[in-house]
Amino acid sequence: DGGITQSPKYLFRKEGQNVTLSCEQNLNHDAMYWYRQDPGQGLRLIYYSQIVNDFQKGDIAEGYSVSREKKESFPLTVTSAQKNPTAFYLCASSTIGTANTGELFFGEGSRLTVL
Amino acid sequence: DAKTTQPPSMDCAEGRAANLPCNHSTISGNEYVYWYRQIHSQGPQYIIHGLKNNETNEMASLIITEDRKSSTLILPHATLRDTAVYYCIVGMDSSYKLIFGSGTRLLVRP
Repeated sequence: DGGITQSPKYLFRKEGQNVTLSCEQNLNHDAMYWYRQDPGQGLRLIYYSQIVNDFQKGDIAEGYSVSREKKESFPLTVTSAQKNPTAFYLCASSTIGTANTGELFFGEGSRLTVL
Repeated sequence: DAKTTQPPSMDCAEGRAANLPCNHSTISGNEYVYWYRQIHSQGPQYIIHGLKNNETNEMASLIITEDRKSSTLILPHATLRDTAVYYCIVGMDSSYKLIFGSGTRLLVRP
Protein backbone atom coordinates (compact mmCIF):
# COMPACT_ATOMS: atom_id res chain seq x y z
CA ASP A 1 0.00 0.00 0.00
CA GLY A 2 1.12 3.58 -0.67
CA GLY A 3 2.04 5.74 2.23
CA ILE A 4 4.66 7.39 4.37
CA THR A 5 6.90 5.42 6.67
CA GLN A 6 8.74 7.03 9.55
CA SER A 7 11.34 5.31 11.65
CA PRO A 8 12.09 4.77 14.39
CA LYS A 9 8.77 5.20 16.17
CA TYR A 10 10.50 5.84 19.49
CA LEU A 11 14.04 7.07 20.00
CA PHE A 12 16.07 7.97 23.04
CA ARG A 13 19.20 10.05 22.84
CA LYS A 14 21.73 11.47 25.23
CA GLU A 15 22.38 15.18 25.28
CA GLY A 16 25.03 16.22 22.78
CA GLN A 17 24.29 13.46 20.30
CA ASN A 18 22.99 13.94 16.81
CA VAL A 19 20.13 11.70 15.70
CA THR A 20 18.59 11.12 12.27
CA LEU A 21 14.91 10.38 11.73
CA SER A 22 13.93 8.56 8.56
CA CYS A 23 10.99 9.40 6.30
CA GLU A 24 10.20 7.44 3.15
CA GLN A 25 7.19 7.79 0.86
CA ASN A 26 6.02 5.70 -2.10
CA LEU A 27 3.26 8.06 -3.18
CA ASN A 28 5.39 9.66 -5.89
CA HIS A 29 4.85 13.02 -4.23
CA ASP A 30 7.15 15.90 -5.07
CA ALA A 31 6.87 17.80 -1.80
CA MET A 32 7.88 16.57 1.64
CA TYR A 33 7.73 18.26 5.03
CA TRP A 34 8.91 17.89 8.60
CA TYR A 35 6.82 19.14 11.51
CA ARG A 36 7.48 19.21 15.23
CA GLN A 37 4.72 18.84 17.82
CA ASP A 38 5.08 19.53 21.53
CA PRO A 39 2.53 18.24 24.08
CA GLY A 40 -0.84 19.97 23.75
CA GLN A 41 0.39 22.13 20.89
CA GLY A 42 -0.19 22.31 17.17
CA LEU A 43 2.33 21.40 14.50
CA ARG A 44 5.24 23.67 13.64
CA LEU A 45 7.05 23.45 10.31
CA ILE A 46 10.77 22.65 10.47
CA TYR A 47 11.80 22.15 6.84
CA TYR A 48 10.12 21.42 3.55
CA SER A 49 11.25 20.32 0.11
CA GLN A 50 9.45 20.74 -3.20
CA ILE A 51 11.99 18.99 -5.39
CA VAL A 52 15.03 16.74 -5.16
CA ASN A 53 18.21 18.48 -4.00
CA ASP A 54 16.32 21.53 -2.80
CA PHE A 55 14.74 22.38 0.54
CA GLN A 56 13.60 25.42 2.47
CA LYS A 57 13.61 26.37 6.14
CA GLY A 58 10.33 26.45 7.94
CA ASP A 59 9.51 28.39 11.08
CA ILE A 60 11.78 26.49 13.50
CA ALA A 61 14.75 25.21 11.45
CA GLU A 62 17.49 26.08 13.95
CA GLY A 63 19.25 22.99 15.25
CA TYR A 64 17.91 20.76 12.47
CA SER A 65 19.21 19.70 9.07
CA VAL A 66 17.70 17.78 6.16
CA SER A 67 18.66 16.33 2.81
CA ARG A 68 16.64 15.41 -0.27
CA GLU A 69 18.86 13.21 -2.43
CA LYS A 70 15.97 11.05 -3.62
CA LYS A 71 12.36 11.91 -4.33
CA GLU A 72 11.07 9.30 -1.91
CA SER A 73 13.32 10.12 1.03
CA PHE A 74 13.59 13.17 3.32
CA PRO A 75 15.63 12.39 6.47
CA LEU A 76 15.77 14.85 9.36
CA THR A 77 18.82 15.20 11.58
CA VAL A 78 18.33 16.66 15.02
CA THR A 79 21.68 18.11 15.96
CA SER A 80 23.19 18.81 19.33
CA ALA A 81 22.54 22.50 18.63
CA GLN A 82 18.81 21.97 19.09
CA LYS A 83 18.18 23.25 22.61
CA ASN A 84 15.04 21.30 23.41
CA PRO A 85 14.76 18.35 21.00
CA THR A 86 12.34 16.19 22.99
CA ALA A 87 9.17 16.20 20.86
CA PHE A 88 6.96 14.29 18.46
CA TYR A 89 8.21 14.61 14.87
CA LEU A 90 5.90 14.22 11.90
CA CYS A 91 6.80 13.82 8.25
CA ALA A 92 4.32 14.60 5.48
CA SER A 93 4.16 14.69 1.71
CA SER A 94 1.96 16.19 -0.97
CA THR A 95 1.61 16.77 -4.67
CA ILE A 96 2.39 20.23 -6.01
CA GLY A 97 1.39 22.49 -8.86
CA THR A 98 -1.74 21.76 -10.85
CA ALA A 99 -2.01 18.31 -9.30
CA ASN A 100 -2.02 19.68 -5.79
CA THR A 101 -5.18 19.33 -3.75
CA GLY A 102 -3.63 20.84 -0.67
CA GLU A 103 -3.90 17.54 1.13
CA LEU A 104 -0.96 16.51 3.26
CA PHE A 105 -0.33 12.84 3.86
CA PHE A 106 1.30 12.21 7.23
CA GLY A 107 3.40 9.43 8.64
CA GLU A 108 2.76 7.96 12.08
CA GLY A 109 5.45 10.07 13.71
CA SER A 110 8.69 9.57 15.62
CA ARG A 111 8.84 10.36 19.30
CA LEU A 112 12.27 11.58 20.38
CA THR A 113 13.25 11.78 24.02
CA VAL A 114 16.52 13.31 25.14
CA LEU A 115 17.77 11.91 28.42
CA ASP B 1 0.84 32.66 13.39
CA ALA B 2 -2.27 30.58 12.81
CA LYS B 3 -4.83 32.30 10.63
CA THR B 4 -7.74 30.55 12.28
CA THR B 5 -9.50 30.63 15.65
CA GLN B 6 -11.11 27.53 17.13
CA PRO B 7 -12.56 26.74 20.55
CA PRO B 8 -10.05 24.71 22.58
CA SER B 9 -12.49 21.94 23.43
CA MET B 10 -15.97 20.62 22.74
CA ASP B 11 -17.95 17.54 23.51
CA CYS B 12 -20.96 15.78 22.08
CA ALA B 13 -22.94 12.61 22.66
CA GLU B 14 -22.32 9.53 20.58
CA GLY B 15 -24.71 9.34 17.65
CA ARG B 16 -25.40 13.06 17.63
CA ALA B 17 -23.98 15.57 15.19
CA ALA B 18 -20.76 17.32 16.13
CA ASN B 19 -20.51 20.87 14.83
CA LEU B 20 -17.01 22.33 15.05
CA PRO B 21 -16.71 26.07 14.33
CA CYS B 22 -13.75 27.93 12.91
CA ASN B 23 -13.17 31.64 12.35
CA HIS B 24 -10.89 32.75 9.55
CA SER B 25 -11.74 36.42 9.11
CA THR B 26 -8.51 37.27 7.25
CA ILE B 27 -8.85 34.56 4.61
CA SER B 28 -7.91 35.72 1.13
CA GLY B 29 -9.83 35.00 -2.04
CA ASN B 30 -7.61 32.17 -3.25
CA GLU B 31 -7.21 30.38 0.07
CA TYR B 32 -8.94 27.14 0.83
CA VAL B 33 -10.27 25.98 4.18
CA TYR B 34 -8.88 22.59 5.23
CA TRP B 35 -9.83 20.35 8.10
CA TYR B 36 -7.61 17.68 9.58
CA ARG B 37 -7.90 15.61 12.70
CA GLN B 38 -5.32 13.98 14.91
CA ILE B 39 -6.03 11.01 17.10
CA HIS B 40 -3.70 10.80 20.05
CA SER B 41 -0.08 10.02 19.13
CA GLN B 42 -0.82 9.54 15.45
CA GLY B 43 -0.20 11.64 12.36
CA PRO B 44 -2.96 14.07 11.34
CA GLN B 45 -5.56 12.79 8.91
CA TYR B 46 -7.10 14.87 6.14
CA ILE B 47 -10.88 15.23 6.41
CA ILE B 48 -12.17 17.73 3.87
CA HIS B 49 -11.47 21.07 2.24
CA GLY B 50 -13.39 23.76 0.37
CA LEU B 51 -13.11 27.16 -1.26
CA LYS B 52 -16.55 28.73 -1.42
CA ASN B 53 -19.18 26.06 -1.73
CA ASN B 54 -20.26 23.64 0.93
CA GLU B 55 -18.61 20.25 0.60
CA THR B 56 -19.52 16.76 1.72
CA ASN B 57 -17.65 13.50 1.68
CA GLU B 58 -17.92 10.17 3.45
CA MET B 59 -16.38 11.58 6.62
CA ALA B 60 -17.94 15.00 7.10
CA SER B 61 -19.60 18.11 5.71
CA LEU B 62 -18.01 21.52 5.47
CA ILE B 63 -20.21 24.60 5.62
CA ILE B 64 -18.51 27.88 4.63
CA THR B 65 -20.31 31.17 5.22
CA GLU B 66 -21.03 33.38 2.25
CA ASP B 67 -18.42 35.94 3.33
CA ARG B 68 -15.97 33.05 3.89
CA LYS B 69 -14.95 34.43 7.27
CA SER B 70 -16.01 31.32 9.13
CA SER B 71 -16.83 27.68 8.59
CA THR B 72 -18.26 24.68 10.40
CA LEU B 73 -17.19 21.08 10.17
CA ILE B 74 -20.08 18.70 10.74
CA LEU B 75 -19.68 15.08 11.76
CA PRO B 76 -23.25 13.93 11.22
CA HIS B 77 -23.27 10.93 13.58
CA ALA B 78 -20.31 11.14 15.93
CA THR B 79 -18.81 7.91 17.22
CA LEU B 80 -16.32 7.31 20.02
CA ARG B 81 -13.61 6.91 17.37
CA ASP B 82 -14.17 10.54 16.35
CA THR B 83 -12.60 11.70 19.62
CA ALA B 84 -9.58 13.66 18.40
CA VAL B 85 -8.08 17.11 17.95
CA TYR B 86 -9.57 18.84 14.91
CA TYR B 87 -7.54 21.44 13.06
CA CYS B 88 -9.00 24.12 10.81
CA ILE B 89 -6.40 25.55 8.44
CA VAL B 90 -6.42 28.05 5.61
CA GLY B 91 -3.97 27.99 2.74
CA MET B 92 -3.59 28.24 -0.99
CA ASP B 93 -3.97 25.29 -3.31
CA SER B 94 -0.25 25.00 -3.75
CA SER B 95 0.66 26.12 -0.26
CA TYR B 96 3.68 24.53 1.24
CA LYS B 97 3.20 26.05 4.66
CA LEU B 98 -0.11 24.98 6.08
CA ILE B 99 -0.04 26.30 9.64
CA PHE B 100 -1.62 24.09 12.27
CA GLY B 101 -2.87 25.96 15.32
CA SER B 102 -3.87 24.27 18.55
CA GLY B 103 -7.16 22.95 17.16
CA THR B 104 -10.32 21.85 18.95
CA ARG B 105 -10.21 18.81 21.18
CA LEU B 106 -13.47 16.95 20.56
CA LEU B 107 -14.62 14.43 23.12
CA VAL B 108 -17.43 12.12 22.06
CA ARG B 109 -19.29 10.84 25.12
CA PRO B 110 -20.92 7.38 25.25
